[in-house]
Formats: sequence, structure tokens, C-alpha cells
Amino acid sequence: DAKTTQPPSMDCAEGRAANLPCNHSTISGNEYVYWYRQIHSQGPQYIIHGLKNNETNEMASLIITEDRKSSTLILPHATLRDTAVYYCIVRVPNTGNQFYFGTGTSLTVIP
Amino acid sequence: NAGVMQNPRHLVRRRGQEARLRCSPVKGHSHVYWYRQLPEEGLKFMVYLQKENIIDESGMPKERFSAEFPKEGPSILRIQQVVRGDSAAYFCASSPILYNEQFFGPGTRLTVL
Repeated sequence: DAKTTQPPSMDCAEGRAANLPCNHSTISGNEYVYWYRQIHSQGPQYIIHGLKNNETNEMASLIITEDRKSSTLILPHATLRDTAVYYCIVRVPNTGNQFYFGTGTSLTVIP
Repeated sequence: NAGVMQNPRHLVRRRGQEARLRCSPVKGHSHVYWYRQLPEEGLKFMVYLQKENIIDESGMPKERFSAEFPKEGPSILRIQQVVRGDSAAYFCASSPILYNEQFFGPGTRLTVL
């Protein structure tokens, strides 16, 4: 079972920031939030992950609320190549090392 | 610095044949994972292996599916007596240590006629 809830689809204008929300209200204290994306049926691509502090890398920023029940992935300047399905994943403890992929958010960047 | 490699990229089999999917992890990675993605669905975990050991196979169908990761060579996902419902994209991922992010290969698309 996926432990996250994401909107099924979103649009974003090219050049604008894309803000993708994720709810994970049952997250436990030692679970990280991971974001991956899948471009047109290619292999999923790691984007970013975090525990409780905001994180930023060359691809995106991750904002996690103080209560850790939700997070937002921010693509600061969306391009057409960012059109993809974005998966928010919470690693479930004591279940080995698997990731649970839900249905994700299909982001379409519009020219 | 090669990433995860999978071959073949596309595989067509007739019902009842065997399918063998290969995965070479990132050099130095000793943890390998297999996922299956049915059309219009998210990825579903199948199995997690370390060198020569199956650690978690909770997502593997009980029959016809097997996986190995020998000391030398790639990881192999084997599907015996394939059926049409096995048609899917099969992704392999690897990681260097436990609980690290996983790096995915391009996938093998299996079509069963």
C-alpha cells in the first residue's frame, strides 16, 4: 500500500515554478520522504529526499512541513523536459528496502 | 560511469516460453531490486537481492518467477511458462548500501503473445 496521496495530474507553464504536493499523514519519525520521476515509461529517476529539514539540489527543492504530514516538491523553472509522472514515496520501516510507488502526479509543462 | 544496465530492452515471447531478464547494477553496488510496472500503473516491488542472497521476495508471484544475483555476473529475473498477464515493463534498480536511494535501469519491456 502506498503511504502517500498525490493529485493525479497538474499543469505548469514553461519557465514557471512547478509545486507538486504530497500528503503523508501517517509518516513515522524515522521515515524519509523520497521523490522520483518517470519520463515517458523510462526508468524512474531519483530527484531528492529528506527527513524533516528542507532540502535543495541541482534539480529541485523539497519542503517538508513541521509536522511532517505533507511535503512539496518544487521545480523552480519548469521546462518541457520536466513533463513526467512524479512519485512521492515514504519508505516504510521493517519492510526490507523496497520503495512503494503509488500512481504519482502526471505533470505536464505547457509551452 | 555506467548506470544500471538492463537487457534486452524489448523481449517478445509466446505463451509457455521462458523469459530471462538481465540486470547489471552500477559498478560497486551490491544491492539489486526488481520492480514490475503494468500498463497505466505505478511500479510494484518484486524482489530484493544482495550478492548470492535473496533478502526480500515478498512481491514475487509464488510460481513461475525466480531471481538470482550470483557472485559474478548480472542479476537474472526468470519467468517460466509466461502468460499474457506477464506482459509489463520490468525495472531493475541498484544501491550501494542499505537504505540508500535506488538508481533505476531503463527497463525491459516484455510482451507475451
